[in-house]
Amino acid sequence: EAGVTQFPSHSVIEKGQTVTLRCDPISGHDNLYWYRRVMGKEIKFLLHFVKESKQDESGMPNNRFLAERTGGTYSTLKVQPAELEDSGVYFCASSPFSGGTEKLFFGSGTQLSVL
Amino acid sequence: KQEVTQIPAALSVPEGENLVLNCSFTDSAIYNLQWFRQDPGKGLTSLLLIQSSQREQTSGRLNASLDKSSGRSTLYIAASQPGDSATYLCAVNSGNTGKLIFGQGTTLQVKP
Repeated sequence: EAGVTQFPSHSVIEKGQTVTLRCDPISGHDNLYWYRRVMGKEIKFLLHFVKESKQDESGMPNNRFLAERTGGTYSTLKVQPAELEDSGVYFCASSPFSGGTEKLFFGSGTQLSVL
Repeated sequence: KQEVTQIPAALSVPEGENLVLNCSFTDSAIYNLQWFRQDPGKGLTSLLLIQSSQREQTSGRLNASLDKSSGRSTLYIAASQPGDSATYLCAVNSGNTGKLIFGQGTTLQVKP
């Protein structure tokens, strides 16, 4: 069974540019989460999809971040325009149920560097 | 506001030693607690998940305990091996979703 897939694995962009990160969850997992870890900080929640609907986007830092999950399959996270403080590792995770009792399966992350 | 703290931030031990990693959280109203392992450049691998009604979970050489009342969890690793070298993360689920609150992690090095 394929795990959670994220790409690109690394992205280096200049301040002001746009970057789109993609996450393919495990097939059949309705729940998809985005997390990120900025330098020196703990991993923090960004948002949660149940199928194609945003269940909780309380962790999104500002309106430069836009997440979508078309058709309830893969998800994209767009940063536009990117700022220096957006640098970090962006993780995607999925789980089959939303009851909060199941393990989350994480992808390998996208390392984003904004110069 | 839930906060998760992991001590120590880094730990180096000789191979074969038993060790304990600590995690504390400020709000005891949790659904579950997970321990993850992260290898450099890799994603997070879930090691153990302890539901709020449980006291401990075991998997191989790993044992995780949970004491909700005191806001503490420990991850015990028996007979450590160099392959155990990684960053270990503790994460608390305070709601009935997958919104986890993470600690900063403990980076473990097991020397041959």
